[in-house]
Amino acid sequence: DGGITQSPKYLFRKEGQNVTLSCEQNLNHDAMYWYRQDPGQGLRLIYYSQIVNDFQKGDIAEGYSVSREKKESFPLTVTSAQKNPTAFYLCASSQDSPINNQPQHFGDGTRLSIL
Amino acid sequence: AQSVTQLGSHVSVSEGALVLLRCNYSSSVPPYLFWYVQYPNQGLQLLLKYTTGATLVKGINGFEAEFKKSETSFHLTKPSAHMSDAAEYFCAVSELDNYGQNFVFGPGTRLSVLP
Repeated sequence: DGGITQSPKYLFRKEGQNVTLSCEQNLNHDAMYWYRQDPGQGLRLIYYSQIVNDFQKGDIAEGYSVSREKKESFPLTVTSAQKNPTAFYLCASSQDSPINNQPQHFGDGTRLSIL
Repeated sequence: AQSVTQLGSHVSVSEGALVLLRCNYSSSVPPYLFWYVQYPNQGLQLLLKYTTGATLVKGINGFEAEFKKSETSFHLTKPSAHMSDAAEYFCAVSELDNYGQNFVFGPGTRLSVLP
């Protein structure tokens, strides 16, 4: 079955460390997204990518970095510059459409905690 | 930029009662609207979507939503709540920005179902 795989499910980080969250999709979708979810705050966009080797900052990109070297992969690095990284991170993808009517498909998320 | 509001961060209903979750959007162009459900520690799952055509949209698990352009609303309903409906629900609108397709989410409504 096609879908989006995020790994690991749970991740612990020491202060000052960079960590990378994996997101892989086999839906052949062009667009991929990273969101951060905090209790009571809904989803906030970190980065998104519409095509390989290109991506754009979202609303809260500071302290994060991404790459899009392959269509199916969109890893997110949480750097030490991110002062409050504890959150639930969701990856999503969607089929490119000239009339933007395609929904997003989501992975099951990665919960990041600071030790 | 578009915005999405969901009235009520927490809604409680009795099992068997009507479920009504409210969503309003701001848009000057025909919107593409979505409802997602999220169970604890999981990603978002698409419930239903409105793109064009019939304004009453049926989704999974017995949910439906009605698009009302004059009210800029897309409220989610279910005639009879089940215990398994307890989850968080997000309304979202799709938009095209300078880069491509993007999504704006509401803050979410947590639904509790009481026995």
